Amino acid sequence: DVKVTQSSRYLVKRTGEKVFLECVQDMDHENMFWYRQDPGLGLRLIYFSYDVKMKEKGDIPEGYSVSREKKERFSLILESASTNQTSMYLCASSPYYTEAFFGQGTRLTVV
Amino acid sequence: DAKTTQPPSMDCAEGRAANLPCNHSTISGNEYVYWYRQIHSQGPQYIIHGLKNNETNEMASLIITEDRKSSTLILPHATLRDTAVYYCIVRGGADGLTFGKGTHLIIQP
Repeated sequence: DVKVTQSSRYLVKRTGEKVFLECVQDMDHENMFWYRQDPGLGLRLIYFSYDVKMKEKGDIPEGYSVSREKKERFSLILESASTNQTSMYLCASSPYYTEAFFGQGTRLTVV
Repeated sequence: DAKTTQPPSMDCAEGRAANLPCNHSTISGNEYVYWYRQIHSQGPQYIIHGLKNNETNEMASLIITEDRKSSTLILPHATLRDTAVYYCIVRGGADGLTFGKGTHLIIQP
């Protein structure tokens, strides 16, 4: 079975902290994605990567950066966390032209 | 920009077929149609995808119109566990996977 693992299920951070959300997949997939999900707004794409060291902005990249140094790992970085970044963050991976597999999500609270 | 249009909500009686429509009139030749669902508090789950032929798997059937501008996801015998938000997405191979608001399907006992 494909496994997409997010490093934490729940996280509480302080305003202004630098936050790293880690995602690891075990199926050698080319594509990896980071989303946030908020009530009434659905899933919104933050960044995605189609290969190592490649990244593309999604719909809401402001306030975030990403890193993909190895194929299996895609990190989302909040350079200076703010309260409006409190959300559920979901990571996914997929090969080209087939389905994506999602992790269980990280519920981040910024206080 | 949304590439797909879905009704915000639908009801279906338990045991009946649930037919979920999706419009994707600007789909391009290399884009596939994907369907996912999300049950509350879980990550989205893949259901099915197709390019131009109809597809069927153990979960559902996907009917794509000949002009590829719309599709229908069919859950043949809906159960209460099928209550979820269903997302229709069009995507090329190395594209981002962009979700719209989806359809909230409610299965009534």
